[in-house]
Amino acid sequence: AQSVTQLDSQVPVFEEAPVELRCNYSSSVSVYLFWYVQYPNQGLQLLLKYLSGSTLVKGINGFEAEFNKSQTSFHLRKPSVHISDTAEYFCAVSDPIPYGGATNKLIFGTGTLLAVQP
Amino acid sequence: DGGITQSPKYLFRKEGQNVTLSCEQNLNHDAMYWYRQDPGQGLRLIYYSQIVNDFQKGDIAEGYSVSREKKESFPLTVTSAQKNPTAFYLCASTLNRGSEAFFGQGTRLTVV
Repeated sequence: AQSVTQLDSQVPVFEEAPVELRCNYSSSVSVYLFWYVQYPNQGLQLLLKYLSGSTLVKGINGFEAEFNKSQTSFHLRKPSVHISDTAEYFCAVSDPIPYGGATNKLIFGTGTLLAVQP
Repeated sequence: DGGITQSPKYLFRKEGQNVTLSCEQNLNHDAMYWYRQDPGQGLRLIYYSQIVNDFQKGDIAEGYSVSREKKESFPLTVTSAQKNPTAFYLCASTLNRGSEAFFGQGTRLTVV
């Protein structure tokens, strides 16, 4: 079965410092990978996704992630964070079981709270 | 603008009551999903639907029911059989396999 591990439940960082949020997944087949951001009491917004091709994926708000198949990782990075980046970040993997049609069952990690301090 | 609308934003339920959470999308997506979010547990899939009049149980379907009578609508009923319903509920939809999920703003359900 698919699973996603986000080892860090909370990552404190100072403003303008770089940050990396870690994500590891387990899968025996090719997968689609996603990073979402959630602000308090809101839904999830897509930051970026990896489907195929280049292993370095750029997303919105200056975030990027690197797909590493050998290490089954998809870590999220930003070279310089802002106070406004304070939010919870979720890594997700699509379940490759052929549900058919448009279904894209996502398996989520438990989330990482990025706390940016001035 | 296209998107997913969930209502209400906040909902209070008394013990033993059934409540229905609304989810409407105007993205013309075939697939729709309901997730439950609890602190420290990420999102867990309750039900999903690939097409109208068809839906499948997710990982935590017990105590919940859904319907899909229209492509645009996927309401979730939290029944009295759900013993711990207090949570944040998120509705989502996807265009096709490999596409990202679009989420609504969520409904926070509290048992009083």
